[in-house]
Amino acid sequence: NAGVTQTPKFQVLKTGQSMTLQCAQDMNHNSMYWYRQDPGMGLRLIYYSASEGTTDKGEVPNGYNVSRLNKREFSLRLESAAPSQTSVYFCASSEGLSYNEQFFGPGTRLTVL
Amino acid sequence: AQSVTQLDSQVPVFEEAPVELRCNYSSSVSVYLFWYVQYPNQGLQLLLKYLSGSTLVKGINGFEAEFNKSQTSFHLRKPSVHISDTAEYFCAVSDRVGYSTLTFGKGTMLLVSP
Repeated sequence: NAGVTQTPKFQVLKTGQSMTLQCAQDMNHNSMYWYRQDPGMGLRLIYYSASEGTTDKGEVPNGYNVSRLNKREFSLRLESAAPSQTSVYFCASSEGLSYNEQFFGPGTRLTVL
Repeated sequence: AQSVTQLDSQVPVFEEAPVELRCNYSSSVSVYLFWYVQYPNQGLQLLLKYLSGSTLVKGINGFEAEFNKSQTSFHLRKPSVHISDTAEYFCAVSDRVGYSTLTFGKGTMLLVSP
């Protein structure tokens, strides 16, 4: 099993460009998450999907959109990238919310110039 | 809403010495507590979690943590660290009420030197 996979691993964008980060899991998990990690800030939740067909905002949703394409896939879109979105992005999945262990992907390092 | 405070951003320690990484949380309801570890250039993985029962929780790689409700703490300990324990450690909390997401602390970088 691959677990949680993310593409791409690295990306450089210019301000105003758009892009979609892809995430897929093969553990048949119901819940999926997108986090961003910035130095000294820990992980902050951008959006999550408690189950297929639902999405909800997390702590820092502004400037992002998400799509839960099916049970396996959860994508994150930046419509008009800004330098403040330079970060490392992690996708995670779990059986459910709350007390369930989250499994993380390897991350996407995004730089916006 | 819950919050997590990790009191040390960086903890340097020599190999084979004991270590304690501190975590305090705040919540208006009962919580579940977690420690995750992130090795360089990798995603996070679960070290241990407290859901209920014994307040002393044992995890992988010889780590353990103790839930102290009166002090709202969940400190992580290891009696003897290895070079390979060098990593960033994150404490996280989730409310027991409803279907809650995780809130992470800002992380503690454990630096083990020979």
